[in-house]
Amino acid sequence: AQSVTQPDIHITVSEGASLELRCNYSYGATPYLFWYVQSPGQGLQLLLKYFSGDTLVQGIKGFEAEFKRSQSSFNLRKPSVHWSDAAEYFCAVGLLTSGTYKYIFGTGTRLKVLA
Amino acid sequence: EAGVAQSPRYKIIEKRQSVAFWCNPISGHATLYWYQQILGQGPKLLIQFQNNGVVDDSQLPKDRFSAERLKGVDSTLKIQPAKLEDSAVYLCATRSQGLRTEAFFGQGTRLTVV
Repeated sequence: AQSVTQPDIHITVSEGASLELRCNYSYGATPYLFWYVQSPGQGLQLLLKYFSGDTLVQGIKGFEAEFKRSQSSFNLRKPSVHWSDAAEYFCAVGLLTSGTYKYIFGTGTRLKVLA
Repeated sequence: EAGVAQSPRYKIIEKRQSVAFWCNPISGHATLYWYQQILGQGPKLLIQFQNNGVVDDSQLPKDRFSAERLKGVDSTLKIQPAKLEDSAVYLCATRSQGLRTEAFFGQGTRLTVV
C-alpha cells in the first residue's frame, strides 16, 4: 500500500541554523511529490512540488527539496531558518489509483525555532 | 485568483447535534476533496468529488457523515449526529484537471464536539 513517512514528529532548531526535514514514501512508480506548510489555524500552503526532471526543486520562502529515487526520499531543506518558519510541515504523494487522483499525506513534522 | 473558501472557521457543538460545513472551490477546479485532520495528524481523505459525482468515499463514515457537491461547484459536508471523536479540522481542497497539478486548500473549519 502507498504510504508517506515523516520520521521526525518534532524538530527544534535555532534561528539562522540549517534545516532538513525527512520524508520517505512507498509507491511502485515515480510519484508526484509535494511539501506543504501549515501555520496555526491555517490551511495547507504549497511550498514546492516535484513531477519530473531536475531532482533538486526550489520552492517558496527559500526552501528546496531533493528527490532521491534510490532512497525513496524527498527531503526538505533550508540553509538558514527564520523564526517565521515555525509551523507544521507535511510531505505528500500524489498518485493515480483506480482511475482517481489522490494525495496521501505524512503525519507531519512540527518545527520550533529558537531565537 | 481567489482561493478555496470555507465556512464557518470555527464551530462548537454538543455531541449528538448536527453540523454542516461549506466549501467554495477555485473557479474551474473539477476535483474537490474533503479531509479530516485530527490534532497532531496529517490530513485524512473523507470524500473526493469529480465535478458533481463522488469518485471515492471509502473513508467516509456514512452512518453519520454525508456530503454533496451542488452543480459541480460548492460542496457541503454534514455530520449528524456528531460524536466527541469528530473533533478535528475539516479541510476542503480543490485541484484542476491533469496529473501535474497540486491541491489548493482552504483555511479549514475547526470543529469542537463537547
